[in-house]
Amino acid sequence: ETGVTQTPRHLVMGMTNKKSLKCEQHLGHNAMYWYKQSAKKPLELMFVYNFKEQTENNSVPSRFSPECPNSSHLFLHLHTLQPEDSALYLCASSQDRRNTYEQYFGPGTRLTVT
Amino acid sequence: QKEVEQDPGPLSVPEGAIVSLNCTYSNSAFQYFMWYRQYSRKGPELLMYTYSSGNKEDGRFTAQVDKSSKYISLFIRDSQPSDSATYLCAMSALQGAQKLVFGQGTRLTINP
Repeated sequence: ETGVTQTPRHLVMGMTNKKSLKCEQHLGHNAMYWYKQSAKKPLELMFVYNFKEQTENNSVPSRFSPECPNSSHLFLHLHTLQPEDSALYLCASSQDRRNTYEQYFGPGTRLTVT
Repeated sequence: QKEVEQDPGPLSVPEGAIVSLNCTYSNSAFQYFMWYRQYSRKGPELLMYTYSSGNKEDGRFTAQVDKSSKYISLFIRDSQPSDSATYLCAMSALQGAQKLVFGQGTRLTINP
């Protein structure tokens, strides 16, 4: 595996479900990011981790809970989501927080909340 | 006013044409300017980044930054059908000090 991988690629969940998105980067990077991409809107930064420490929470509702057990893995735990949370969730990584201008993205998880 | 403005298109041009994609911005603190390409059902792919003003060329792609006008451009020469994608501009201020701010993306189609 190379680059940034994300699983699952597609997810359909009900509003009462709990699910998790997984991201893994094979680039030796130390910063990882979660973004939300909705139709007709710019990418929205959700969370940033640098050397496993969360450095930014961009006013994300608590129904989204990130976890970064090590520099290579990032999770996004989801619970009691709303239909408006349906979107493409993208993970990205960079060498560290100083190299935010050179981020590499995974393929995304297409989430549908029913 | 949005920090970064990008015409969403769609933009459709014939194969071989020169394509010009543009973004304007309002934050004079932006120093890094990026262009990403996103194919359907894929994540964004970094094409190139430029620091401060000037031009940067990579093959058929040229990025230009005019900080005085707060205007950036991506030119694609000899466009190919494989260039059909959504192109996203992104910007950031100092290293590590600010997050990436993205434009909405321009959907481009190159017709054979």
